[in-house]
Amino acid sequence: GAGVSQSPSNKVTEKGKDVELRCDPISGHTALYWYRQSLGQGLEFLIYFQGNSAPDKSGLPSDRFSAERTGGSVSTLTIQRTQQEDSAVYLCASSLDKGQETQYFGPGTRLLVL
Amino acid sequence: GQQLNQSPQSMFIQEGEDVSMNCTSSSIFNTWLWYKQDPGEGPVLLIALYKAGELTSNGRLTAQFGITRKDSFLNISASIPSDVGIYFCAGPPRFQGAQKLVFGQGTRLTINP
Repeated sequence: GAGVSQSPSNKVTEKGKDVELRCDPISGHTALYWYRQSLGQGLEFLIYFQGNSAPDKSGLPSDRFSAERTGGSVSTLTIQRTQQEDSAVYLCASSLDKGQETQYFGPGTRLLVL
Repeated sequence: GQQLNQSPQSMFIQEGEDVSMNCTSSSIFNTWLWYKQDPGEGPVLLIALYKAGELTSNGRLTAQFGITRKDSFLNISASIPSDVGIYFCAGPPRFQGAQKLVFGQGTRLTINP
């Protein structure tokens, strides 16, 4: 596609439920990144993929968070047993290759945990 | 870890005024990036700086990479309503390549008509 797309755009869930967030990177981009943005804050790095492997998972806040990428394209971020503090905007970005500072961001998924 | 501190946190200006914001770090960054985020959207890259002392312009925007490598500033001249949004500085932590970016807290720009 022309840009990074994410779905759903908004998600409201109840505490304790699992959620899956999807990211479609720009076609041909091998690197994919997930960030979290809490209200009024900057972006917090979560995880990075090069192809289908995740060399850097250092930003995942807990073992309730996991992510996978298949076919070197689509990525899914899963949050299990959601907590209210998980409420945030989850942003996905892609770049042509690792080491490319020009990361192109999607519009984000706004997650609200009640 | 490495952190970026942006100031001011928010600005309220009149249309047509010039804007200046800056970003500082306690450690060296080899690349400085400036992004703008509109409501409901992801950040969009405005300017990238790769060399200490570098001064780069993009239309009415001008950014500089501080010679100490620990700071950068962004100026916007003759602001217009579409400049409203949140501006973030960002950079890849040193020695970790560009696999992730560290972001400042953002400067929220509001323009009074």
